[in-house]
Amino acid sequence: DIQMTQSPSSVSPSVGDRVTITCRASQGVSSWLAWYQQKPGKAPKLLIYTASSLQSGVPSRFSGSGSGTEFTLTISSLQPEDFATYYCQQASSFPLTFGGGTKVEIK
Amino acid sequence: EVRLVESGGGLVQPGGSLRLSCAASGFTFSSYAMIWVRQTPGKGLEWVSGITGSGDTTYYADSVKGRLTISRDNSKNTLYLQMNSLRAEDTAVYYCAKETSSSWQSDSWGQGTLVTVSS
Repeated sequence: DIQMTQSPSSVSPSVGDRVTITCRASQGVSSWLAWYQQKPGKAPKLLIYTASSLQSGVPSRFSGSGSGTEFTLTISSLQPEDFATYYCQQASSFPLTFGGGTKVEIK
Repeated sequence: EVRLVESGGGLVQPGGSLRLSCAASGFTFSSYAMIWVRQTPGKGLEWVSGITGSGDTTYYADSVKGRLTISRDNSKNTLYLQMNSLRAEDTAVYYCAKETSSSWQSDSWGQGTLVTVSS
């Protein structure tokens, strides 16, 4: 199974800050990597697919990069509505696996 | 607008069974793979099972293989998860999700249904 490791597990930035979340795969997944945002009591929401493609309707302050084993989600200027938990997921092979999550908390 | 609505969750005793349903609308259901993902309260996401658009290929996490069965009825636009021999560790919110056209990445999710396995 491909293990997905996210860092940090939590971060406490201020509104307007640039936030970077890293996801590492235990083996190469090419660009088959998605990022999701989840707010308490809600379903996950797709932000980025195939590592760097912005899902329709997602603000352009979100961006993704990377390939192979190392990936990054960047929020260029954090907004109040961005406080949530973020997960990466590899879609290269079964079983599909998620990272442990990064909680972006209000400072 | 894509809409996915799960139902069928509830309280069940260890060893019992449940069948979850996910009613889909707003897209050509048979053209898209679907998955089930679960989340233990306060914890992360765990992929459970996936099925191709035609229903001819299914995939399972090792933790549920032999106990949970995914299926779909494309004439009813409905996805199912038959859950047998349930264990306490199956307690979670179960989400159905629609995959993108090119890969196993989920662009639409249901609201989730809670399954509690307890005596």
